[in-house]
Amino acid sequence: DTGVSQDPRHKITKRGQNVTFRCDPISEHNRLYWYRQTLGQGPEFLTYFQNEAQLEKSRLLSDRFSAERPKGSFSTLEIQRTEQGDSAMYLCASSFTNNEQFFGPGTRLTVL
Amino acid sequence: AQSVTQLGSHVSVSEGALVLLRCNYSSSVPPYLFWYVQYPNQGLQLLLKYTTGATLVKGINGFEAEFKKSETSFHLTKPSAHMSDAAEYFCAVTLGGGGADGLTFGKGTHLIIQP
Repeated sequence: DTGVSQDPRHKITKRGQNVTFRCDPISEHNRLYWYRQTLGQGPEFLTYFQNEAQLEKSRLLSDRFSAERPKGSFSTLEIQRTEQGDSAMYLCASSFTNNEQFFGPGTRLTVL
Repeated sequence: AQSVTQLGSHVSVSEGALVLLRCNYSSSVPPYLFWYVQYPNQGLQLLLKYTTGATLVKGINGFEAEFKKSETSFHLTKPSAHMSDAAEYFCAVTLGGGGADGLTFGKGTHLIIQP
């Protein structure tokens, strides 16, 4: 399968813990996006990479959220000191242009 | 900044009937427009997109949408609904021209197909 993959698919954590999610994009795609989707809402754009450069990060929800794409391939999204309000589906997408983004299956985070 | 409004959080149609899901957008520059479908506990799958050119675009699974600039609309239609069409549908917009920008999504419309 050459689609976008995300790991883990589900994560349950206790409030105050740090969590990290991984996204592996489609191999030839140079653009990578992170979104958050809460129940009953559409995905909300968080951040964007072109190769290893993070070109947009002003939409990250707070300074507890950070993302990296160190070699321009896979990316990680970290949430520090998790809060119950962080419970959501975190989606990753990749593209070769901005015309069509391919989404992964998402990581569902539950903060207890 | 862009925004998307999807009228109707739930739409119910009978199997074989016309499907019409409404989407209106606002954008300060010519937009790129998309419809995505999401099945439970899955990621989003692209149904169709409008970038430039022909304003009536055809997508997968028999869906199509028409870009109407004067109405700032991009409604999704399918002539005959199938049970497998039951899912959540999202309209999305981004800036045209290849700029660095994520998608702005509507809140989604849950499509229910009645047997």
